[in-house]
Amino acid sequence: AQKITQTQPGMFVQEKEAVTLDCTYDTSDQSYGLFWYKQPSSGEMIFLIYQGSYDEQNATEGRYSLNFQKARKSANLVISASQLGDSAMYFCAMREGYGNKLVFGAGTILRVKS
Amino acid sequence: EPEVTQTPSHQVTQMGQEVILRCVPISNHLYFYWYRQILGQKVEFLVSFYNNEISEKSEIFDDQFSVERPDGSNFTLKIRSTKLEDSAMYFCASSDPGILVSGANVLTFGAGSRLTVL
Repeated sequence: AQKITQTQPGMFVQEKEAVTLDCTYDTSDQSYGLFWYKQPSSGEMIFLIYQGSYDEQNATEGRYSLNFQKARKSANLVISASQLGDSAMYFCAMREGYGNKLVFGAGTILRVKS
Repeated sequence: EPEVTQTPSHQVTQMGQEVILRCVPISNHLYFYWYRQILGQKVEFLVSFYNNEISEKSEIFDDQFSVERPDGSNFTLKIRSTKLEDSAMYFCASSDPGILVSGANVLTFGAGSRLTVL
């Protein structure tokens, strides 16, 4: 079974609008962490935001927020006020237990239109 | 801001040749990783390294692969006899559980080394 599922291969959003990128996960661990990384066309992987399984509040980092619904095992990334520079591939990833390995989803390509 | 550096950025090699990809992790990090991303596919874990030994590896990381920390700064991935299917972007990453970013032990990735096997 897939550990991380990103069902949207590609998304378009108008500049200045908000967009939600979906991520569902599968784990039997009680302790886990969920990450979002951005991969622009240049290829590097840039950390955006983190949500711990025990965190009661949704994580926020500037224009990024994570809509964490534990019972539904979803950790959707919300980007507010989209900018052209947000055009990139976005990966959801999970760390299970207290290990350090990340398991990545297939990614969502986001294109911001002017 | 500290960063993970990788060399070369792009390497083209013939099938069967040995390749060494190099990484300089963030200096005070303790955990080191290699991931790979075949074109158009997801990022896959290869191996993690801590305290001068492999702490975890995936089924992809077979006997053709090896990692080494030859000195206090470099972390290398060697592919002994490359195959066509080894063509991918290889990412090095490092982390330190004692240094939390946004409350998390965050992996910092390098820009990647693109390997093309002909």
